[in-house]
Formats: sequence, C-alpha cells, structure tokens
Amino acid sequence: EAGVAQSPRYKIIEKRQSVAFWCNPISGHATLYWYQQILGQGPKLLIQFQNNGVVDDSQLPKDRFSAERLKGVDSTLKIQPAKLEDSAVYLCASSKGNEAFFGQGTRLTVV
Amino acid sequence: AQKITQTQPGMFVQEKEAVTLDCTYDTSDPSYGLFWYKQPSSGEMIFLIYQGSYDQQNATEGRYSLNFQKARKSANLVISASQLGDSAMYFCAMREVNYGQNFVFGPGTRLSVLP
Repeated sequence: EAGVAQSPRYKIIEKRQSVAFWCNPISGHATLYWYQQILGQGPKLLIQFQNNGVVDDSQLPKDRFSAERLKGVDSTLKIQPAKLEDSAVYLCASSKGNEAFFGQGTRLTVV
Repeated sequence: AQKITQTQPGMFVQEKEAVTLDCTYDTSDPSYGLFWYKQPSSGEMIFLIYQGSYDQQNATEGRYSLNFQKARKSANLVISASQLGDSAMYFCAMREVNYGQNFVFGPGTRLSVLP
C-alpha cells in the first residue's frame, strides 16, 4: 500500500512570495490533515478535512494560508504572501481508523 | 491550555537498556486515543503504538509498550532493549473522539541511544 505522498520535499522562497504544497493521501482515507512543525516543536494542526469538507481550520492563518481538497482526494496548501516565521516543515497526514499516517513533509525556508 | 505534556526535552539510554518516555495529557472527553510517534532525523513521522481510553490492558507492539494510567492521565512509552536506531524525537499525541478528532501533539522528547 502506497503511503502519503507530498511534494516538493524542499522549498526555499523569499518573503512575500507565494508557495504551494501538494499532498496525496492513502487511498480510501477520508480524513486529511495539514500540520505545521516549527523546528524543535511538535506538529500543530493547520486544517482538517473530512472528504472534501473542512472539519477544523481554527488555527489556519486565513489571511495568508489557504487549503483545498478537491474531490475529497488530493489536497493543496498555499501560503501567500510568505513570512519569515512560516519557515517550518509542513506535514500532511491521512487517517481512516485510529492512527494517522504521515507523509515525509515539505521543508519550507523563507529568506 | 497544554493538552499534552512531555517533561523530558532529552533522554539518554545505553544500548540494550530499557527507557521510559513520559507523557501526561488533559481532556474532558471520556472517549479518546493516545498515540506515540517516532520522528528520525529524516523527518517522517512513524506511528508506534496506540491506546484507547476504554482499553483495559496496556498496549504493546514489539519492543514498545504503553504504560497507561488513566486516573493519573499519563501514557508513558516504554522501549525495551534500546537499539542505536531508536535515536530520534518521540511525540505523544491525543485524539479526542467528541472534540474534532484531530491529533494534538506534545513538544517531544529527543532520545539518544549510546553504544
């Protein structure tokens, strides 16, 4: 069974630029999460989807971050414009039962 | 309020010894799950073990066991016979069934296994 796929693995952008991350969850997993993990901290939830509907986006900075999950499968997370403090690893995870399965993440560096 | 507390920023253990990583949690949901994940330096989050709030017995998965003390709201991870490959960050997480069902993570504990 294929795992959660994320791309790109690494991205370096200048502040005020825009960036997008892509996630393909495990087939059949209805729940998809985007987490932000700042260096030295635990992951923090940005947004949770159930199929193509948003369950929780209370911690998503909506003035600059957006996410969508078209057709309830793939998802994209966008940041526009990026700030220095957005430098982090962005983790996508999917879940069907109890545990969540994570992708390898996208390491974003904003300079 | 912090829902998951991991009080050990870093731990050292000698190879082949056992080690306990602490985790305490806070919830008012009677139905929840507790998880431990391992994050090596490569960055991926690897699921290790799961304990449901209604499970009577402590969960075990190979060399990993979860010491679940519900009244104390603790869910410590025990790794037996440590190996050099166990060196990584370890995160405790909780998922509340009735409050959103997202995973809330603690700050993590960095485990270093010494040869």
